Amino acid sequence: DIVMTQSPDSLTVSLGERATINCKSSQSVLYSSNNKNYLAWYQQKPGQPPKLLIYWASIREYGVPDRFSGSGSGTDFTLTISSLQAEDVAVYYCQQYYTTPETIGQGTFGQGTKLEIK
Amino acid sequence: EVQLVESGGGLVQPGGSLRLSCAASGFTFSSYAMSWVRQAPGKGMDWVSGISGSGGSTFYAGSVKGRFTISRDNAKNTVHLQMSSLRAEDTAVYFCAKDSDEAGKVLSLFDRWGQGILVTVSS
Repeated sequence: DIVMTQSPDSLTVSLGERATINCKSSQSVLYSSNNKNYLAWYQQKPGQPPKLLIYWASIREYGVPDRFSGSGSGTDFTLTISSLQAEDVAVYYCQQYYTTPETIGQGTFGQGTKLEIK
Repeated sequence: EVQLVESGGGLVQPGGSLRLSCAASGFTFSSYAMSWVRQAPGKGMDWVSGISGSGGSTFYAGSVKGRFTISRDNAKNTVHLQMSSLRAEDTAVYFCAKDSDEAGKVLSLFDRWGQGILVTVSS
């Protein structure tokens, strides 16, 4: 299995400041034939299901504010919130969906990063 | 608007069985793979099982293979998870999740999620 490791586990940022969350995969999730990174970011607020924010490492899902951005390639990825808003308090998860014929469906998630307001 | 509504959760004894259902609406159900993803209390996400849009291909996490069975009824826009030989470590909120691939393949990139339903395995 591909292991996803996020850092930090928790993060406290002031309103209006930048928040950065890192995600590292145990092996590359870049598929050479299409040059796509099979990496997504989700946001989960308390008592709610996850919400897809970013896919293919850097594509914002429709309706996601442009203060959210994703970057990185291969094994190292970053989610950046450029100017933290109160409604961004949540747990953020990265997920790889790079699979082989033997591992179809087995998209693994990071352990989550809890983002709070300072 | 896409809606996914889970049902069938509850308290079950170790070794018991339970069947979860997910009713879908707001999209062409048969065109998309569906999965179940679970979240143990206070923990992260674990993919459990996925099924292609046609229902012809099914996939399982190693931890549930041989114990859980996923199925779908495209005429009724529902997906099910039959869980048997349940263990304490299966205790979790189970989410029904819609895959994003329009060709019905299991990609495990989830663009819509249900609210989740709690399964508790305890004596």
